[in-house]
Amino acid sequence: KQEVTQIPAALSVPEGENLVLNCSFTDSAIYNLQWFRQDPGKGLTSLLLIQSSQREQTSGRLNASLDKSSGRSTLYIAASQPGDSATYLCAGSSGDSNYQLIWGAGTKLIIKP
Amino acid sequence: DTEVTQTPKHLVMGMTNKKSLKCEQHMGHRAMYWYKQKAKKPPELMFVYSYEKLSINESVPSRFSPECPNSSLLNLHLHALQPEDSALYLCASSQVGQVNEKLFFGSGTQLSVL
Repeated sequence: KQEVTQIPAALSVPEGENLVLNCSFTDSAIYNLQWFRQDPGKGLTSLLLIQSSQREQTSGRLNASLDKSSGRSTLYIAASQPGDSATYLCAGSSGDSNYQLIWGAGTKLIIKP
Repeated sequence: DTEVTQTPKHLVMGMTNKKSLKCEQHMGHRAMYWYKQKAKKPPELMFVYSYEKLSINESVPSRFSPECPNSSLLNLHLHALQPEDSALYLCASSQVGQVNEKLFFGSGTQLSVL
């Protein structure tokens, strides 16, 4: 059964630093890996989706990688800004439909000005 | 228009009340979802509608009743809820519900059951 883990649960860094958020999963038979952002009390915003045949995706200052053999995905945020403060969740798809997502518990990121 | 709109944003209801949550999207998406999210937890899938038909019900209690009147609207009818049902209720949509489609979420309804 697929399990998705995010460590650490919380992270605080000074503005301007580059940082990496980690997501690990137990079953390498993963269809895709998605990264979402959630602001307090709000909905989720899809940031990046990496298909199983891909190794990374980039959007602006964000870069997500997928290594199925090691069961890991990372979200790299370059030149962090206070506006990046949010909870970041990863979710792996265990099947060929969009509702078979297995979610990590999230990493709460605080960027200090 | 890449928005999923949910109303109301906040709702307080007693255990004997009947209320409804509404969700609307105009992206032409044919898959729509209801999720429940407790504080500091990831979202939990409740229901999936595919082409206006209920395709997934994740063993949700019958006090939650979903409805999809047309391809743009999704409702969640609430009746005789319990205090433990207090949570953020999120609506989402995607093109047809296949893998590798992005999910678009609404900003949610924060529900408190007294």
